[in-house]
Amino acid sequence: SYELTQPPSVSVSPGQTASITCSADKLGDKYACWYQQKPGQSPMLVIYQDNKRPSGIPERFSGSNSGNTATLTISGTQALDEADFYCQTWDGYTAVFGGGTKLTVL
Amino acid sequence: QITLKESGPTLVKPTQTLTLTCSFSGFSLSTSGMGLGWIRQPPGKALEWLALIYWNDDKHYSPSLKSRLTITKDASKNQVVLTMTDMDSKDTATYYCAHVVPAALNAEYFQYWGQGTLVTVSS
Repeated sequence: SYELTQPPSVSVSPGQTASITCSADKLGDKYACWYQQKPGQSPMLVIYQDNKRPSGIPERFSGSNSGNTATLTISGTQALDEADFYCQTWDGYTAVFGGGTKLTVL
Repeated sequence: QITLKESGPTLVKPTQTLTLTCSFSGFSLSTSGMGLGWIRQPPGKALEWLALIYWNDDKHYSPSLKSRLTITKDASKNQVVLTMTDMDSKDTATYYCAHVVPAALNAEYFQYWGQGTLVTVSS
């Protein structure tokens, strides 16, 4: 089965750039998307089709996907960005989620 | 405006069958390309995709849970039902339904999510 690997945790200082990776074999040949989930809330889409932002998502969120790695980048990270982040792709008709990364802003 | 809401039992006993309903508005599962999926999340753990149904009644399941899952739709009622048989404590989780935005194959994404419903499996 196809698996997406994320680092369990990433820390960043306020105002700095946070990068969260998602790795899998030839992931760059597929589309990746990213979801943000804050405690007690449902996941929220922040990036789809590798690098597109849904309406209402701040420009500081960006995405890329090449080779074996998709990356979510948060520029000028704010305290309110602290959350769990999940990458997701498709393996045929099967949706696959990564194990999640806890972003800490300290 | 697309909204989704999950409903069903909060507590089920081991070996029982779970039936969850997703009631939605703002889109129609009769419209070409539309789809709806179920995703669950055990407490403190990661998201896990379960099943997906499309407007044309095409259905897809998680390979690891396929034998226990059934997804059906009632487009006239704007509802999708997920059943999971032989429930176990490992199935304790928050269950979400989510709207699949139509796109090319493998370019789809879950943009709208329900609030989730916590299902506990315990005797």
